[in-house]
Formats: sequence, structure tokens, C-alpha cells
Amino acid sequence: EAGVAQSPRYKIIEKRQSVAFWCNPISGHATLYWYQQILGQGPKLLIQFQNNGVVDDSQLPKDRFSAERLKGVDSTLKIQPAKLEDSAVYLCASSRYRESETQYFGPGTRLLVL
Amino acid sequence: TQLLEQSPQFLSIQEGENLTVYCNSSSVFSSLQWYRQEPGEGPVLLVTVVTGGEVKKLKRLTFQFGDARKDSSLHITAAQPGDTGLYLCAVRSGSARQLTFGSGTQLTVLP
Repeated sequence: EAGVAQSPRYKIIEKRQSVAFWCNPISGHATLYWYQQILGQGPKLLIQFQNNGVVDDSQLPKDRFSAERLKGVDSTLKIQPAKLEDSAVYLCASSRYRESETQYFGPGTRLLVL
Repeated sequence: TQLLEQSPQFLSIQEGENLTVYCNSSSVFSSLQWYRQEPGEGPVLLVTVVTGGEVKKLKRLTFQFGDARKDSSLHITAAQPGDTGLYLCAVRSGSARQLTFGSGTQLTVLP
């Protein structure tokens, strides 16, 4: 079974630029999550999708971050415009159901904002 | 204030030594999970503990859930370089029962 795929793996941009990350979850997984992991901290949930609907986006900075999950499969996370403090690893995870015990994480996208 | 406090933050030991890392909170949880995250990868679930006082073993790793379900520990026997990584504890919290992580313990096992 293929794991969660993410791209790109690394991205360097200047502040005020835009950036987008892509995630392909495990086939058949209804729930998809985006996390932000700042260096020295644990992952923090940004947004959770159930199929193509948003379940929780309470910690998503909506003035600059947006996410979508078209057709309930792939998802993109966008930052526009980026700030220095957005430098972090952006992790995508998926689970079979919303209440599934196990979330499977992708390798993450490392973003550096200069 | 962090929901989960992990200690120590950093730990560097020699191969063959034993170690224990901790995950503490003032809140009670129905379950708690431990993850390991290796450099350049996402976290991988190691175990879920559910019952107060529960002990689970995974080869050389022993996980314990506190009697009051507020804290947990992870003990590694005879650590190996392959155990190197960031150990994270996590619980479900909030109205959407989202997964909330601690800040982790960064373990380095030197050969």
C-alpha cells in the first residue's frame, strides 16, 4: 500500500511570495489533515477534511492560508503572502475514517521563508 | 500553556544504555499515543494506550499510561542508534477531537 505522498519536499521563497503544497493521501482514506511543525515543536493541526468538506480549520490563519480538497482525494495548501514565521515543515496525514486510531503521515514539505 | 509537557527536551546517550522519557498533563485523557519521527520523515504511530495503569511493550520499548490517565512514560532498554529520533506523545482534544501533540523528546543514541 502506497503511503501519503507530498510535494515538493523542499521550498525556499522570499517573504510576501506565494507557495503551494500538494498532498495525495492513502487510497480510500476519507479524512485528510494538514499540520504545521515549527522547529523544536510538535505538529499543530491546521485543517482537517472529511472527504471534500472541512471538519476543523480553527487553527488555520485564514488571512493568508487556504486549503482545498477537490473530489475528496488530493489536497493543496496555499500560503499567500508568506511571512518569516511560516518557515516550518508542513505535514499531510490521512486516516480511513475521522475517528480512526491511526493517522498516516507523509514525509512533509520543508518551507524556508527568507 | 502546553496541553502536554514532554521531558527531557533533548537526550543523548550511548548505545546499550536504558532511558525513560515522560509526557505529562494536568488533564485526564481517554487515550494517549506515542509517535517516533525520524529526520526528514513524518511521525509514525508506535502505540496507543487506553486504560489507566496499562503497560504495553513493543520489542525493547515499554509504554505506560498513568493510573489517573494524565501522564505516560516510554522506557527504552538497551538503546540502539536506530532508536534515534523525535519521540512525540499526542492526545485527542477539542470539540473536533483533533490530535494535539507535545513538543517531543529528541533522542540521539551514539554508537
